[in-house]
Amino acid sequence: QVQLVESGGGVVQPGRSLRLSCAASGFPFSGYGMHWVRQAPGKGLEWVAVISYDGDTKYYTASVKGRFTISRDNSKNTLYLQMNSLSAEDTAVYHCAKGHSGWRNGVDYWGQGTLVTVSS
Amino acid sequence: QSVLTQPPSASGTPGQRVTISCSGSSSNIGSNYVYWYQQLPGTAPKFLLYRNNQRPSGVPDRFSGSKSGTSASLAISGLRSEDEADYYCAAWDDSLSGLLFGGGTKVTVL
Repeated sequence: QVQLVESGGGVVQPGRSLRLSCAASGFPFSGYGMHWVRQAPGKGLEWVAVISYDGDTKYYTASVKGRFTISRDNSKNTLYLQMNSLSAEDTAVYHCAKGHSGWRNGVDYWGQGTLVTVSS
Repeated sequence: QSVLTQPPSASGTPGQRVTISCSGSSSNIGSNYVYWYQQLPGTAPKFLLYRNNQRPSGVPDRFSGSKSGTSASLAISGLRSEDEADYYCAAWDDSLSGLLFGGGTKVTVL
């Protein structure tokens, strides 16, 4: 069965960096686009970034462009999110999610998420 | 502010039918598939509907979806207490080159 397990969250000071990882299993990882979606405490879902199956194409939501970088290692079945210049507005649970069947579509499977708290 | 607009809340009594709307534009719902997700309290979102009205295996047929133009809707028939959750619509946006989520609708079973 599909499993997505995030790690790397924690408490970080404003302006610092953090790297999240998502270990995938149960499906051919190298064949699917992968997303990061976040949810601030008590708020709705916000899409963050997507990377194509081969890592060649990446898109970001406007608020993280230039600060966050999505990447993947298909040899390790792992997705990453490098987050720089963090601010309080980035505080959220970060979920990795598997793209559903091709490009320009939603996601199907979700990880449980990892909490990132940006606070001094 | 979400580009996909959902009502913040909806409610019904057990057995009733509840409908949730999701309004977008030509660059998202108007040209791409709509997805729906259910999020129970304290859990990760669950894949509920895809390609406007298709149910993944294991999703009861009480859940149905439709799309017309730049709007979509999710209907829950035969409402049950376990349906009490937040529901989100989503669609790819060609102008933004990103996945958009609606603001979410909290369904309460009275």
